[in-house]
Amino acid sequence: EIVLTQSPGTLSLSPGERATLSCRASQSVSSSHLTWYQQKPGQAPRLLIYGASSRATGTPDRFSGTGSGTDFTLTISGLEPEDVAVYYCQQYSSLPLTFGGGTKVEIK
Amino acid sequence: QVQLQESGPGLVKPSETLSLTCTVSAGSINSYYWNWVRQPPGKGLEWIGYVHHSGSANYNPSLKSRVTMSVDTPKNRFSLNLRSVTTADTAVYYCAKWHESWNAYDCWGQGILVTVSS
Repeated sequence: EIVLTQSPGTLSLSPGERATLSCRASQSVSSSHLTWYQQKPGQAPRLLIYGASSRATGTPDRFSGTGSGTDFTLTISGLEPEDVAVYYCQQYSSLPLTFGGGTKVEIK
Repeated sequence: QVQLQESGPGLVKPSETLSLTCTVSAGSINSYYWNWVRQPPGKGLEWIGYVHHSGSANYNPSLKSRVTMSVDTPKNRFSLNLRSVTTADTAVYYCAKWHESWNAYDCWGQGILVTVSS
């Protein structure tokens, strides 16, 4: 099973600041099989980034994904109040499909 | 745009079977892989498994001995059965549609909280 480790656990930033979220895999993950979701309180997760770097429909361009192999990053270039959420990475390179533990993004 | 809606009992007794249904609307179940994902209160996401419209299925090894998924094509819905539940199975259960080209879930149900308690 591929274990995804996300860091930091919580990120507290001011509006307009840059947020950098990390997702590290226990073994290599194909970039086409790495996905990011956003989950706001009380809501289901929402697809944000697929294929490591492709924005889903409706994802603002302040969100970007990069990475390959075992290290992937989600960047929010200028934090907005509506970005308060937990962000999860997910891999499908091999079954079982697994999720990272999540990074909670807060506004200072 | 496909919409998903989970339904089922919100309370299940320990050792009994948790049974949920996900109804697909604004689209046909005769495509795609249909998944179940759960989230214990305050915790992260766990993949339970998927069922294909053909009826083939694949489950998380951690739950495989207790899980069965099926598709009801005429009613455009799919189901999850989880046997011999314990309090550790208390979670919000989501159904989700898998987008094969994107290798991602592009559509989720709103989720249903199932509590295991006597």
